Amino acid sequence: EPEVTQTPSHQVTQMGQEVILRCVPISNHLYFYWYRQILGQKVEFLVSFYNNEISEKSEIFDDQFSVERPDGSNFTLKIRSTKLEDSAMYFCASARGGGTEAFFGQGTRLTVV
Amino acid sequence: GIQVEQSPPDLILQEGANSTLRCNFSDSVNNLQWFHQNPWGQLINLFYIPSGTKQNGRLSATTVATERYSLLYISSSQTTDSGVYFCAVSSGTYKYIFGTGTRLKVLA
Repeated sequence: EPEVTQTPSHQVTQMGQEVILRCVPISNHLYFYWYRQILGQKVEFLVSFYNNEISEKSEIFDDQFSVERPDGSNFTLKIRSTKLEDSAMYFCASARGGGTEAFFGQGTRLTVV
Repeated sequence: GIQVEQSPPDLILQEGANSTLRCNFSDSVNNLQWFHQNPWGQLINLFYIPSGTKQNGRLSATTVATERYSLLYISSSQTTDSGVYFCAVSSGTYKYIFGTGTRLKVLA
């Protein structure tokens, strides 16, 4: 069964460093998303991406965040200068169509020290 | 924006018991999903159910979109059902808004 895969599963980084979180969405899906979940809290929307551009972003998704689909299969989230409060589980998701069933990856746990 | 509330926030059951989890949303929605977050943090799709009723083994779900709620039923609960159950909805835009979750613990 096709699935969304994320790498790495866990990343520890120093405050101020750049990190790139990687995702391989399901191959025939057209809509891609990043969400995050701070420990013990609910899952929050960050950004949606369609047709090689951002279609929507939340207020959390400020200038230190960026997304890219560099090669037609990968979908990446870059955090330019990490802060302690960026520590969270980051989930990638994909969907065949807008607003259809979304499938989530297993998550990347980011720890900023 | 749309508000999604889930109840109860916490639930403890003995193995074999049945339970009902509720998701209320503040506006009309186009899509609704239920997820189980396991102890490793993974989000597992349970149901895609914008309306109607679906069943999958011991789990079933019903969404009454006109009354803005959805229910998840767990029958004959097992310890592996433990975790957090999230309801997520989308309306108009394509992002899903998650509820605050129900934390379920099933005791052996």
